[in-house]
Amino acid sequence: GDSVTQMEGPVTLSEEAFLTINCTYTATGYPSLFWYVQYPGEGLQLLLKATKADDKGSNKGFEATYRKETTSFHLEKGSVQVSDSAVYFCALRAPSGYSTLTFGKGTMLLVSP
Amino acid sequence: EAGVAQSPRYKIIEKRQSVAFWCNPISGHATLYWYQQILGQGPKLLIQFQNNGVVDDSQLPKDRFSAERLKGVDSTLKIQPAKLEDSAVYLCASSLDLAGTGELFFGEGSRLTVL
Repeated sequence: GDSVTQMEGPVTLSEEAFLTINCTYTATGYPSLFWYVQYPGEGLQLLLKATKADDKGSNKGFEATYRKETTSFHLEKGSVQVSDSAVYFCALRAPSGYSTLTFGKGTMLLVSP
Repeated sequence: EAGVAQSPRYKIIEKRQSVAFWCNPISGHATLYWYQQILGQGPKLLIQFQNNGVVDDSQLPKDRFSAERLKGVDSTLKIQPAKLEDSAVYLCASSLDLAGTGELFFGEGSRLTVL
């Protein structure tokens, strides 16, 4: 079945450091890929998405590129802020018909001043 | 625009007791989802509704879990009897429709502790 694998956390960085959170997936065909973020005490919210190979999703300084050849969708940000501290979830949506999201386990990011 | 509302936020019960969670999705959203998120894991789909019909309940433990969405708006998830392994956050989400952009809007979740 479909699955998503994320790097384990927590990822601890200083403010203004470069961030990469790795995500790889297993799925039949060409799924849509997503990053969701969960800030402390809040619900999950969509951060960015990509629906086909080589697409780049971007939002709030975060970027991720859909790489079909490596089945990856790594999340990057050039300069993190304390306010980016949260749990980040990679997810996929199968291309066939009506389907919901399959999530990875999540990666906690802690940014210190 | 009001978001997805869930209640209660926290619930502590003893094993073998019952519990119910309520969700009110964003107005106009036809699709409603219940996810279970166990500590340290990603959300896992329990059940998905389109209006008041069930689309997918393949991962719902039907011997103890039940869910309904009468009138196609708000929904209730019930656990009876609860087991220790049911301790988790129960997330409700909604989306405009099944085959939309894939964006789900989540509530803040209901945290269940089973003692």
